[in-house]
Amino acid sequence: RKEVEQDPGPFNVPEGATVAFNCTYSNSASQSFFWYRQDCRKEPKLLMSVYSSGNEDGRFTAQLNRASQYISLLIRDSKLSDSATYLCVVADTGRRALTFGSGTRLQVQP
Amino acid sequence: EPEVTQTPSHQVTQMGQEVILRCVPISNHLYFYWYRQILGQKVEFLVSFYNNEISEKSEIFDDQFSVERPDGSNFTLKIRSTKLEDSAMYFCASSGPRNTEAFFGQGTRLTVV
Repeated sequence: RKEVEQDPGPFNVPEGATVAFNCTYSNSASQSFFWYRQDCRKEPKLLMSVYSSGNEDGRFTAQLNRASQYISLLIRDSKLSDSATYLCVVADTGRRALTFGSGTRLQVQP
Repeated sequence: EPEVTQTPSHQVTQMGQEVILRCVPISNHLYFYWYRQILGQKVEFLVSFYNNEISEKSEIFDDQFSVERPDGSNFTLKIRSTKLEDSAMYFCASSGPRNTEAFFGQGTRLTVV
């Protein structure tokens, strides 16, 4: 069973659309959660941390459901520049090693 | 904005040779990491380093690999006797003392021929 599972996509959406990505993690001891974005052949860049109460940063909203071991990312008013692969990332309690999902590819079209 | 820097950006080496990948973490960070990403695959954790010693390592990080902080700024990954399957993008990352948010360098693309 994969530790962090994501739908690989691609999600093809028009500019201005709202799109949501989901992620499940297998280890109930996971403690820290993040969304990173990765452009083709580039490094992962931290998009946002995910907190238990949910958090919002501009057009981006992240939610965590510990009971279901499920994380989501909502992007509103999609821009062309949002086209990238979105990585769901988890760290277990007491550990700093990050476990990455395989990513969900988003393509925003004009 | 502070950033993690890595050199070289691309390294080509012959199978069996040793390579050293270099990183300068963000200056006030205390935790340093190496990750790798084989083309088309997910990012995988190799090793974390804190207080001048390895704090965690994955199954991938076997005796072929070693890390070092030779001075106050550099953090290196050495791969002895490279194999074809070591070809990948290697990312260095660092994080501060208070949380696990890690910031990544632009990576070194290692090609073993």
